[in-house]
Amino acid sequence: KQEVTQIPAALSVPEGENLVLNCSFTDSAIYNLQWFRQDPGKGLTSLLLIQSSQREQTSGRLNASLDKSSGRSTLYIAASQPGDSATYLCAVRPLGGNKLVFGAGTILRVKS
Amino acid sequence: DGGITQSPKYLFRKEGQNVTLSCEQNLNHDAMYWYRQDPGQGLRLIYYSQIVNDFQKGDIAEGYSVSREKKESFPLTVTSAQKNPTAFYLCASSPESSQTDTQYFGPGTRLTVL
Repeated sequence: KQEVTQIPAALSVPEGENLVLNCSFTDSAIYNLQWFRQDPGKGLTSLLLIQSSQREQTSGRLNASLDKSSGRSTLYIAASQPGDSATYLCAVRPLGGNKLVFGAGTILRVKS
Repeated sequence: DGGITQSPKYLFRKEGQNVTLSCEQNLNHDAMYWYRQDPGQGLRLIYYSQIVNDFQKGDIAEGYSVSREKKESFPLTVTSAQKNPTAFYLCASSPESSQTDTQYFGPGTRLTVL
């Protein structure tokens, strides 16, 4: 059974700092891995989607990497801003299905 | 505007009552999903539907029911058999034929049992 783990569970950093969020998964048989952002009491917004054949994706100050063989992904946020404060969720899409398997998320607070 | 809408935003239910959460999408997506989110946990799949008039149980379907009579609508009923229904419920949709696309999420409904 696929399991997704995110470390750390919570992170507080000063504005301007570069930071890394970690995601690990137990089964490498995946179509893709996604990073989502969730603001308090809101739905999820897709940030980056990495196909299983890709190593990384970039969008603005965000860079996500994927090492499928080791079951790891990282989300790198450059020059963090208070507006980046949110919960970041990692999810994998196992082969053979449409379901997503989510991690519990990392709660990020960027202090001004 | 294209997107997914969920209503109501907040819902209160007395124990023993059934309640129905609405989810509508105008993205012309074939597949729709219902997730439950509890504090400190990731999203867990309740039910999903890949096509009209067809749906499958997810990981935590007990105490829930769904219907898919129209492509754009996928309502979720939380029945009195659900032992701990207080949670945040999220609906999502995706193009069913694509294995590479993301899922698009609605704003969620927070259900509280009094």
